Amino acid sequence: GAVVSQHPSRVICKSGTSVKIECRSLDFQATTMFWYRQFPKQSLMLMATSNEGSKATYEQGVEKDKFLINHASLTLSTLTVTSAHPEDSSFYICSAREQQETQYFGPGTRLLVL
Amino acid sequence: QKEVEQNSGPLSVPEGAIASLNCTYSDRGSQSFFWYRQYSGKSPELIMFIYSNGDKEDGRFTAQLNKASQYVSLLIRDSQPSDSATYLCAVKGNTGFQKLVFGTGTRLLVSP
Repeated sequence: GAVVSQHPSRVICKSGTSVKIECRSLDFQATTMFWYRQFPKQSLMLMATSNEGSKATYEQGVEKDKFLINHASLTLSTLTVTSAHPEDSSFYICSAREQQETQYFGPGTRLLVL
Repeated sequence: QKEVEQNSGPLSVPEGAIASLNCTYSDRGSQSFFWYRQYSGKSPELIMFIYSNGDKEDGRFTAQLNKASQYVSLLIRDSQPSDSATYLCAVKGNTGFQKLVFGTGTRLLVSP
C-alpha cells in the first residue's frame, strides 16, 4: 500500500502557541488530503478536505481560522493549530488519496497542550 | 439514521474462530466500501476494499458486499490475538470530494 508520513508524531506545547503538523505522501501524488481528529475512545472526525493548490473545505463546526490547512504540493499538506488550548489536545491524523483511488492514513500526531 | 452503522461491540471470539464484523449503510448509490483496522493509539490501516457484489478474499480476510441489502461485512478466519483491534467500515460518498464516511467501529477481542 501507499505510504503517508506525518511529523511530528508527538508534540507538547504551551497554551497560546501554534503548532504545525506536516503530512506527506511518500510514493504517490496526493491530489486530495484529509485531516481528521480523534479524541480518546471516540470515532474519527473529519476536519477538512484539501485539494492541491486549492483552499481547504472545512466540515461544519471546524474553525478555519484556528485550523489552517495548506496543501502546497501534491505530496505535502500542513495543518497549523493556531493559539492552541488544552481542549485542542487530541490525536490528529491525515490521510491522502491519489485521484479517486484508495485513501491511506498517516501514523498520526498526538498533540498535548498544557 | 446514521449513514454508516456498526455494532460497537466488543465482539469476543476465541483464538482460531471466525470473527464476523457487519456494517450497513444508508446511501444506496455508494459504490466503494473499505475496511480499516485501528489498534489502540494508532491510526487506521487499510485491510480491504470491495466494489462489486459478492465476496473478495485476501488471506484470512473476506469482505462481503450486498448492495441490494446495503450491507457489507468482514470475516476474519483463524482469528489471532493480534487481530484484537477496532475495525472501521467506510463508505465512499458519491458527491463533492467523495469523502469516506466512517462507521463508529466494532471492537474485536480475540482471546488466546
